[in-house]
Amino acid sequence: DGGITQSPKYLFRKEGQNVTLSCEQNLNHDAMYWYRQDPGQGLRLIYYSQIVNDFQKGDIAEGYSVSREKKESFPLTVTSAQKNPTAFYLCATRGANTGELFFGEGSRLTVL
Amino acid sequence: KQEVTQIPAALSVPEGENLVLNCSFTDSAIYNLQWFRQDPGKGLTSLLLIQSSQREQTSGRLNASLDKSSGRSTLYIAASQPGDSATYLCAVEAFNKFYFGSGTKLNVKP
Repeated sequence: DGGITQSPKYLFRKEGQNVTLSCEQNLNHDAMYWYRQDPGQGLRLIYYSQIVNDFQKGDIAEGYSVSREKKESFPLTVTSAQKNPTAFYLCATRGANTGELFFGEGSRLTVL
Repeated sequence: KQEVTQIPAALSVPEGENLVLNCSFTDSAIYNLQWFRQDPGKGLTSLLLIQSSQREQTSGRLNASLDKSSGRSTLYIAASQPGDSATYLCAVEAFNKFYFGSGTKLNVKP
């Protein structure tokens, strides 16, 4: 199946731990994005990458880190420096021809 | 900075009713506007994409229009069904970034 796979769907973390959320795509899209969604709010951009080995900070990058070593993969690390990490995290890719944005199913992170 | 607003925040209608969801944005220099549907606990599903040179797009019972000069888009849902119950979000693309509204939560009552 073509699409975007995020894992894990649910993740629990103790305070002070780093966690990494996986995002894998087989759509052959260059641009990939990480968003955070909190209840009742719109999506907020954490990081984005237009091409392999390059990425830019979004509006709320503090406490997060990413890498883009392969076109298919754009993992997000939530570090212990992120003060309020409990949220729903969404990965997306952008089609080059139309500019359409596609999303994965999301990962819900809960800090205990 | 681009700001996207969706009104109303929530809407409840009886089954079969036609309805309109609104999306407004502050900067008309956009590349695309896209409408999404989100079910609880799920990712976003793309419904319609309107490129900046287009005025509207249709898919089944859905019709989306775009008026760049006034900074507005509407999503029209015909003959609503209980399965249409979800949160609907709009997003505009400008300079390789996407800006999202907070969504309209739609409840279609049987």
